[in-house]
Amino acid sequence: RKEVEQDPGPFNVPEGATVAFNCTYSNSASQSFFWYRQDCRKEPKLLMSVYSSGNEDGRFTAQLNRASQYISLLIRDSKLSDSATYLCVVNEGSARQLTFGSGTQLTVLP
Amino acid sequence: EAEVAQSPRYKITEKSQAVAFWCDPISGHATLYWYRQILGQGPELLVQFQDESVVDDSQLPKDRFSAERLKGVDSTLKIQPAELGDSAMYLCASSFQGLDEQYFGPGTRLTVT
Repeated sequence: RKEVEQDPGPFNVPEGATVAFNCTYSNSASQSFFWYRQDCRKEPKLLMSVYSSGNEDGRFTAQLNRASQYISLLIRDSKLSDSATYLCVVNEGSARQLTFGSGTQLTVLP
Repeated sequence: EAEVAQSPRYKITEKSQAVAFWCDPISGHATLYWYRQILGQGPELLVQFQDESVVDDSQLPKDRFSAERLKGVDSTLKIQPAELGDSAMYLCASSFQGLDEQYFGPGTRLTVT
């Protein structure tokens, strides 16, 4: 079983739609959580950290459920520029190593 | 804005040849990581440095891969000999000591023919 699992998609949504991605992780000792965004053939870039209380950055909302070992990312009012692969990332211990999911591909259509 | 630098950006080599990739992390970032990313998958850690010391190289295929960070700043990842299955994007990332957020360089896309 993969340590971090994501629905690979692809998700094809119209502009203005709301879309949600989910991610589960297997290590209950995981300490910190992130969403990274990766454009085609580019490097991953940090989108946002995920806090236990949930956090919001503009159109993006991230939530963490430690009991269910589940992370989510909600994108409201999708823009064409949101088209990318979204990587769920978990830090599993004190070595500060990140474990990446395989990513969920999003295409926002005009 | 400070960035992680990597070179070359693209490399095509024949199998059994040697290749080397270079990374210069963000200034002041003590921790440096090398990842390999195969198309359609997330990055997988190859080696982690804290300053000049290797923290974790458990996933590094040591029969053919080597990595060094001699002065605790820039780093080199080498493959010798390259195999067809090594074709991938090789990403370098760095982080400030004690923090989890990692910042990635543009990567080196390796094609082994």
